[in-house]
Amino acid sequence: DAGITQSPRYKITETGRQVTLMCHQTWSHSYMFWYRQDLGHGLRLIYYSAAADITDKGEVPDGYVVSRSKTENFPLTLESATRSQTSVYFCASAEATGGEQYFGPGTRLTVT
Amino acid sequence: GEDVEQSLFLSVREGDSSVINCTYTDSSSTYLYWYKQEPGAGLQLLTYIFSNMDMKQDQRLTVLLNKKDKHLSLRIADTQTGDSAIYFCAETPHSGNTPLVFGKGTRLSVIA
Repeated sequence: DAGITQSPRYKITETGRQVTLMCHQTWSHSYMFWYRQDLGHGLRLIYYSAAADITDKGEVPDGYVVSRSKTENFPLTLESATRSQTSVYFCASAEATGGEQYFGPGTRLTVT
Repeated sequence: GEDVEQSLFLSVREGDSSVINCTYTDSSSTYLYWYKQEPGAGLQLLTYIFSNMDMKQDQRLTVLLNKKDKHLSLRIADTQTGDSAIYFCAETPHSGNTPLVFGKGTRLSVIA
């Protein structure tokens, strides 16, 4: 099915562990984005990518790493998870950077 | 930089009209969007308006744009319990290749 998927949908991990959240889109959109959603903060942009091998920092990039070796995939890695990274993470894709974004269903991450 | 402001909460009775307001700072924004987020889901595009328009109507939804005051509103007529969700306003920044700027979202509660 065409669309944008995220995995896992739910994840519990311990402080200090490395965690990778996956995002896959089937539209061949050039742009992909990672957001985190927290109460009181709305959506905050972590990283985005304009194409394979091109990534840029967003508003809150510290503690996160991204890569984009293929157009359709945009994994987000927490190198050493902290409790402050407990959040709901959304991936999105778009044809243009300022254009309509299509969102995945989200990953709820809990860091204990 | 660009900023988008929304009130955080709105409560209405079923059958009444809901009006969700948004102010933005970039007077050169080309598109302004309204996204809807239902519980446990990602954001979905609800409607959008091009900056050269004052109003756009789509069934129960009416979008009003006041460019002079940089004010955007979303009116939902005959609000139903299924309209309970978080509504996000977003603007396309004029400053070249930068992503959409989202407001923090307005949580709409519909009382039966």
